Amino acid sequence: KQEVTQIPAALSVPEGENLVLNCSFTDSAIYNLQWFRQDPGKGLTSLLLIQSSQREQTSGRLNASLDKSSGRSTLYIAASQPGDSATYLCVCLYGQNFVFGPGTRLSVLP
Amino acid sequence: DVKVTQSSRYLVKRTGEKVFLECVQDMDHENMFWYRQDPGLGLRLIYFSYDVKMKEKGDIPEGYSVSREKKERFSLILESASTNQTSMYLCASSLPQHNRPEFGNGTRLTVT
Repeated sequence: KQEVTQIPAALSVPEGENLVLNCSFTDSAIYNLQWFRQDPGKGLTSLLLIQSSQREQTSGRLNASLDKSSGRSTLYIAASQPGDSATYLCVCLYGQNFVFGPGTRLSVLP
Repeated sequence: DVKVTQSSRYLVKRTGEKVFLECVQDMDHENMFWYRQDPGLGLRLIYFSYDVKMKEKGDIPEGYSVSREKKERFSLILESASTNQTSMYLCASSLPQHNRPEFGNGTRLTVT
């Protein structure tokens, strides 16, 4: 069964810290892996997409890595800001099927 | 920059009512999906569609049906709403070859 887990479930950090969110998946035959952000009561906003042939993607203060052999992806957020507070979801794309992780709830304290 | 639009942000319905949740995308995507999101359970797939008039059951289709008469519109139908269908409902669409889903802003449905 294809499963995606995320650690930690929740994280609270002071503003300015660098932080890492972790995602693990059981089936390494992924097509893509995507990181989303979700603000309370809102939909999902795409942050970064890593294709299976890639090792990492960067956008601004965000860097996502992918290691298919170990079944892991990390999302690195540099110099965190209160506006980064949200739930971060990891999604593995298998063909036409998407498997979602449960998310990490991040709070960045001013 | 409208992409995936869900017709209602908040909806309150009574038990037993027939409820329609509408989703429209303007990206000419073949694939469309309906999920529900509940605390502690994450996103769960209800139904999806790969083309007009096609539909496939997801992981939790019971109590729901869908309609896709036009490519851009995918409707989720609660035939007889129940309190356990109170949830956040998210619609998504994607192109098959790119497999990058776009999500709507969600509909928070409360059934009383």
